[in-house]
Amino acid sequence: QQPVQSPQAVILREGEDAVINCSSSKALYSVHWYRQKHGEAPVFLMILLKGGEQMRHEKISASFNEKKQQSSLYLTASQLSYSGTYFCGRADSWGKLQFGAGTQVVVTP
Amino acid sequence: DTGVSQDPRHKITKRGQNVTFRCDPISEHNRLYWYRQTLGQGPEFLTYFQNEAQLEKSRLLSDRFSAERPKGSFSTLEIQRTEQGDSAMYLCASGGGAYNEQFFGPGTRLTVL
Repeated sequence: QQPVQSPQAVILREGEDAVINCSSSKALYSVHWYRQKHGEAPVFLMILLKGGEQMRHEKISASFNEKKQQSSLYLTASQLSYSGTYFCGRADSWGKLQFGAGTQVVVTP
Repeated sequence: DTGVSQDPRHKITKRGQNVTFRCDPISEHNRLYWYRQTLGQGPEFLTYFQNEAQLEKSRLLSDRFSAERPKGSFSTLEIQRTEQGDSAMYLCASGGGAYNEQFFGPGTRLTVL
């Protein structure tokens, strides 16, 4: 089963914060986060490893809660460039990614 | 630019025709993945190569689909007897590094009329 992302969509004003969650009913070994803008390919943001530390990409950070089998992506002081659809991907031992349905983020001026 | 290229970027074909897509991954990477993405969905795994060996194929990949990676460099994905349901964005990802980070190419958008 694919990871479940929430919320499905979020609208922010520039400078506001948001959290995107990615939950899995199957064990998470690593979680990959991507951002995709309309008509473009997904862009790699960061990877969270089981037992690993919190990662950052600019003002975007993420954490991995092994107990809850959940990863969270934190958009801090959002910028217009953060608009897009965010996907989390659960990796298996081959590195094959199973993606969630995505969270659409719209940042307005 | 992720260093992964795909060709063509767009392909329009008639139902029943064969199409072939190419992916050139990052040269140092030995893993290559193909995914398919339809509107409003996340990418879905199709198949995976480590060097020239095809190690896994999704159940989504019917016998009309075939992929190769000769000499462990570029890869091709062929779809025979295309159907309208094959219309999608076909994405190639190059995997490498300590944690197998995957970097996507720009994709090939296929439209089957």
